[in-house]
Amino acid sequence: DTEVTQTPKHLVMGMTNKKSLKCEQHMGHRAMYWYKQKAKKPPELMFVYSYEKLSINESVPSRFSPECPNSSLLNLHLHALQPEDSALYLCASSQPRQGFYGYTFGSGTRLTVV
Amino acid sequence: AQSVAQPEDQVNVAEGNPLTVKCTYSVSGNPYLFWYVQYPNRGLQFLLKYITGDNLVKGSYGFEAEFNKSQTSFHLKKPSALVSDSALYFCAVRSNSNSGYALNFGKGTSLLVTP
Repeated sequence: DTEVTQTPKHLVMGMTNKKSLKCEQHMGHRAMYWYKQKAKKPPELMFVYSYEKLSINESVPSRFSPECPNSSLLNLHLHALQPEDSALYLCASSQPRQGFYGYTFGSGTRLTVV
Repeated sequence: AQSVAQPEDQVNVAEGNPLTVKCTYSVSGNPYLFWYVQYPNRGLQFLLKYITGDNLVKGSYGFEAEFNKSQTSFHLKKPSALVSDSALYFCAVRSNSNSGYALNFGKGTSLLVTP
């Protein structure tokens, strides 16, 4: 299995809702990442997990809460989002401390906040 | 900080002609460089990477890239463009340990191949 699977593919949520994005990989990668991407812009790093521990938080608002329950799974919990949070959320994985073997991206979750 | 720059917002090329998408880098130490492609409403697809070794890197879908240390460039090339190559292309560099070895992306270059 050489894929990163993200669910759901599309999500519409209200500003008072609580939802979660899920990311799963079975390649044995021990680093996982969340990126946010606006239309026709580059992905922006949000969080990095290395060996299931949060190593980087790029000053992301607290309404985004990441979680890494095990080495294969990465969640992003969403609460009280704003319309400007609407974007494509990408998950990626790699071997930590190297990136030598590359980074594998999921197909993303298209989030719309109404 | 490790960074890449893509000087062109858009590149237009006729089908069958060679294409080049430009990327320059600024790093401390040895660069780990990548190219990704993104089709509309899709995730990022890996094309190729340079870690070490041969300066000419061959990747997926007939793409290749040339690592040039003296010009700090890593341009993406293809000998004969296809209409289906039309997409958004991102150059990226591995960040340093302070940023968890994540990827830092250039702003992207939109490639349009016309029939």
